[in-house]
Amino acid sequence: DVVMTQSPLSLPVTLGQPASISCRSSQSLVHSDGNTYLNWFHQRPGQSPRRLIYKVSNRDSGVPDRFSGSGSGTDFALKISRVEAEDVGIYHCMQGTHWPYTFGQGTKLEIK
Amino acid sequence: EVQLVESGGGLVQPGGSLRLSCAASGFTFTTDWMHWVRQAPGKGLVWVSRIKSDASGTSYADSVKGRFTISRDNAKKTLYLQMNSLRAEDTAVYYCARDLYYSIGNWGQGTLVTVSS
Repeated sequence: DVVMTQSPLSLPVTLGQPASISCRSSQSLVHSDGNTYLNWFHQRPGQSPRRLIYKVSNRDSGVPDRFSGSGSGTDFALKISRVEAEDVGIYHCMQGTHWPYTFGQGTKLEIK
Repeated sequence: EVQLVESGGGLVQPGGSLRLSCAASGFTFTTDWMHWVRQAPGKGLVWVSRIKSDASGTSYADSVKGRFTISRDNAKKTLYLQMNSLRAEDTAVYYCARDLYYSIGNWGQGTLVTVSS
């Protein structure tokens, strides 16, 4: 199975400041169809996950544009340009290129 | 609006069984693959099982293979997970999830399964 490794696992951030989370895969996530199926999810405390980003950099409907995804091959990142209070929670990366789908360990974002 | 509503969780003794259900609405259930994903307390997300849209194929994580069975009733728009020979390490919130083209597009609210004597 593809191992997804996130860093950091804990991310204290001051309101209004940027934040960045790294996600690395144990093998390339480029699919045979040419797409890269790397997703990001946000899970608020006590809630279920919600998808933010699919195929590396595509924001889901309703996701603020302060969220952006980037990367290629095995190295990916989620960036928040200016952290707001509602951004607290756990961020998960997930690959859908190789079966089975696998997730990173999760990164807990908190406000300093 | 897509809705996935799980039920059937609870407290069960080691070695016991539970059946989870997930009622789907707001999308064409009959055309979508579906998953179960679990999250142990304070831990990350782990994929458990998947079923194709017409139930012609299923897959399982090694940790549950031979003990869990995924199924669906497309007429009732309902997904199931039969869990047998439960162990303490199966304790988790179980999420029903809708596949969306090499991704998970929607999640249910989750149902808690606690395996303890």
